[in-house]
Amino acid sequence: GQQLNQSPQSMFIQEGEDVSMNCTSSSIFNTWLWYKQEPGEGPVLLIALYKAGELTSNGRLTAQFGITRKDSFLNISASIPSDVGIYFCAGQNYGGSQGNLIFGKGTKLSVKP
Amino acid sequence: GAGVSQSPSNKVTEKGKDVELRCDPISGHTALYWYRQSLGQGLEFLIYFQGNSAPDKSGLPSDRFSAERTGGSVSTLTIQRTQQEDSAVYLCASSPRQGAYYGYTFGSGTRLTVV
Repeated sequence: GQQLNQSPQSMFIQEGEDVSMNCTSSSIFNTWLWYKQEPGEGPVLLIALYKAGELTSNGRLTAQFGITRKDSFLNISASIPSDVGIYFCAGQNYGGSQGNLIFGKGTKLSVKP
Repeated sequence: GAGVSQSPSNKVTEKGKDVELRCDPISGHTALYWYRQSLGQGLEFLIYFQGNSAPDKSGLPSDRFSAERTGGSVSTLTIQRTQQEDSAVYLCASSPRQGAYYGYTFGSGTRLTVV
């Protein structure tokens, strides 16, 4: 089935630094989403991307829908301690049999204050 | 309610016992999804319901897993004869309609531990 490769798996970063993570797929997606999950909680949607090449920002977060529709990246600028958590990319192909989200395995972000 | 509510938040059960996990979606959301999150893994799709249509069960890992949605609202995920590999966090999500375009709202999950 469809799979997403998300990297890096984890990262430690100094407060104030910029962070970048990405997802790639062998399949084309029509929608790319980025979620953040904190301990004991469900994932919360950060950014949604619907068009190839689309670049969208949400505060310090910026995400792009790759032009090939097979990849996406998420950047976090000037990281702060509350950015800690697991970030998941997710893709959906409306032509797929499920029509549901396929998730990457996550990038665990830890920030040193 | 204001969000997706799942119960119990934690469940410890003995191997071989049956368990029921409950999800109460956001009022008015017609689409409901169940995902499983194992340690260190992403979210694995299990099943989804859309309105009165037949559910898509293609993600259920075995016939020990089943789910129903009564009255288009509350859903129950049942795992029969639980095994240790069933230990995971089970997440429920709902959306106004089927499809990521409309946004998924997740509950906090049920952490299932099979001992």
